[in-house]
Amino acid sequence: ETTLTQSPAFMSATPGDKVTISCKASRDIDDDMNWYQQKPGEAAIFIIQDASTLVPGIPPRFSGSGYGTDFTLTINNIESEDAAYYFCLQHDNFPLTFGQGTKVEIK
Amino acid sequence: QAQLVQSGAEVKKPGASVKVSCKASGYSFTRNAIHWVRQAPGQRLEWMGWINAGNGHTEYSQKFQGRVTITRDTSASTAYMELSSLRAEDAAVYHCARDRSAWDPTFGLDVWGQGTTVTVS
Repeated sequence: ETTLTQSPAFMSATPGDKVTISCKASRDIDDDMNWYQQKPGEAAIFIIQDASTLVPGIPPRFSGSGYGTDFTLTINNIESEDAAYYFCLQHDNFPLTFGQGTKVEIK
Repeated sequence: QAQLVQSGAEVKKPGASVKVSCKASGYSFTRNAIHWVRQAPGQRLEWMGWINAGNGHTEYSQKFQGRVTITRDTSASTAYMELSSLRAEDAAVYHCARDRSAWDPTFGLDVWGQGTTVTVS
């Protein structure tokens, strides 16, 4: 099973900040990494596919990078509406596994 | 626009079973697999299994093998997840999610349901 170590667990940002979230895989997963945003009581939203491709309709302030074992989600010029829980998912092998998640608070 | 809508919250006693539904709309149901994932309080998301919505083939996480059954009704564009022999540790929010592909290889999940809270007490 591939373990994903996501950090930080919590972060507080000011509007306009650049935010980075890390997800490290316990083995090489190529670019089989997706990122999601979830707000309380709502369905998760797919934001980054295959490590670095922005999902259509997602604002370009979101970006993803990485390959192999180290991946990063970046939010540039963060906005108040970006307050949410973010998590990574590896789909390279079964069982699919997830990072622990990051709660992003906007001050 | 593709959407998955899940059934409402459930309260079950230990030892009972729960069946959660996931109704798809806005796309051709049989063209994408459906996964089930759960998140217990304070825990990370956990994959339970998936179903090929076209032919009904399923695969399950070893952790849930023997306790989970995933089915689908193509006429209703609905997938189901039944978990039996419930224990306190099964209290969680259960999500269905659509795969970007019909079956293996998976390309990951793109559309999610809103989640169904299952309480075991």
